[in-house]
Amino acid sequence: AQSVTQLGSHVSVSEGALVLLRCNYSSSVPPYLFWYVQYPNQGLQLLLKYTSAATLVKGINGFEAEFKKSETSFHLTKPSAHMSDAAEYFCAVSEDNQGGKLIFGQGTELSVKP
Amino acid sequence: DGGITQSPKYLFRKEGQNVTLSCEQNLNHDAMYWYRQDPGQGLRLIYYSQIVNDFQKGDIAEGYSVSREKKESFPLTVTSAQKNPTAFYLCASSIRGSNSPLHFGNGTRLTVT
Repeated sequence: AQSVTQLGSHVSVSEGALVLLRCNYSSSVPPYLFWYVQYPNQGLQLLLKYTSAATLVKGINGFEAEFKKSETSFHLTKPSAHMSDAAEYFCAVSEDNQGGKLIFGQGTELSVKP
Repeated sequence: DGGITQSPKYLFRKEGQNVTLSCEQNLNHDAMYWYRQDPGQGLRLIYYSQIVNDFQKGDIAEGYSVSREKKESFPLTVTSAQKNPTAFYLCASSIRGSNSPLHFGNGTRLTVT
């Protein structure tokens, strides 16, 4: 069965510092992987997705993620944090035989200090 | 603009009452989903539908029911059988296919007392 683990429920960085949010997945077949962002009391917005075309995926707002099959990881990074990046971030996985439904990690809340 | 509309944004009910959450999309998507969000638990799938008049249970379907009579609409009923109904409920839609991202509504926060 597929699953997603996000390491660290809370991450705090200073403005301008590197952002690194960790995601590890478990899947018996090549997965499709997604990162979403959620601002308070809102729905989720897609940041980026991996669908096997390239291992380094660039998304919106300067975020990118690298798929590493050997480590079963899909960590999200941004070189320089901005105050507006403060939000909750979710990693999700789906498989070809799952009808398009996503399995989500528990989420990581990112705080950005001035 | 195309999107997903969930209404109402906040909903209050007394214990023992059924309540229906609305979800409408004008994205012409075939697939629709209901997720429940609780603090520290991420999103858990309640029900999903890939086509009109058909739907499947997700991981936590007990105490919930859905219908899919129209492509645009996927209402969720929280019944009195749901033991812990207070939560944030998110509706989503997508093009059919496992690599298609989900588009989310802004959610309905249900409080049952």
